[in-house]
Amino acid sequence: AQKVTQAQTEISVVEKEDVTLDCVYETRDTTYYLFWYKQPPSGELVFLIRRNSFDEQNEISGRYSWNFQKSTSSFNFTITASQVVDSAVYFCALRYQGGKLIFGQGTELSVKP
Amino acid sequence: GAVVSQHPSRVICKSGTSVKIECRSLDFQATTMFWYRQFPKKSLMLMATSNEGSKATYEQGVEKDKFLINHASLTLSTLTVTSAHPEDSSFYICSSQRGEPAVRETQYFGPGTRLLVL
Repeated sequence: AQKVTQAQTEISVVEKEDVTLDCVYETRDTTYYLFWYKQPPSGELVFLIRRNSFDEQNEISGRYSWNFQKSTSSFNFTITASQVVDSAVYFCALRYQGGKLIFGQGTELSVKP
Repeated sequence: GAVVSQHPSRVICKSGTSVKIECRSLDFQATTMFWYRQFPKKSLMLMATSNEGSKATYEQGVEKDKFLINHASLTLSTLTVTSAHPEDSSFYICSSQRGEPAVRETQYFGPGTRLLVL
């Protein structure tokens, strides 16, 4: 069965702190894609990153970085020097050969000034 | 800019009426579009996959006659909630992707429609 687990329901940090959002996935497929989306209070999901199962290279984009480790089936997301504008719900998602996008439960990040 | 638009963004209706939600792919022609439902503080649940020119594929437990989906063109899919009841109140989000349902394709999401049924 395909499954995505985001164990952290809510995280609260103070501005400028670093924060890591955890994501663990389950799939038997060898080819799959992992995604992170941001959902601000407005509701619209914003695509952040896509990573395929054959590319374990970590990625950095500005203050955002992602750590993909197949050995632990994890795809964690780190925000460095967090800002108030980072406050949102973040979803990790898995797309497998069946084509469907499976979302985790989401992590609500609150960055306080 | 936005890749996918939805209309309306909010709708309040009386119980028993039908509501139509439009989803438009703005940047590319979308062979496949998806409809999701999201309850407060919850994750997104896939309702159905909308294929241009053919019948939608519904997920288990989603009533086909309740949630009518039409994908008449490569840029427009509509979701009609028929005979809406308060329990249908939710946040409905559509998404589109380029090309065929392929695992590598990224889904781009619309801004969502908040439906409140009184």
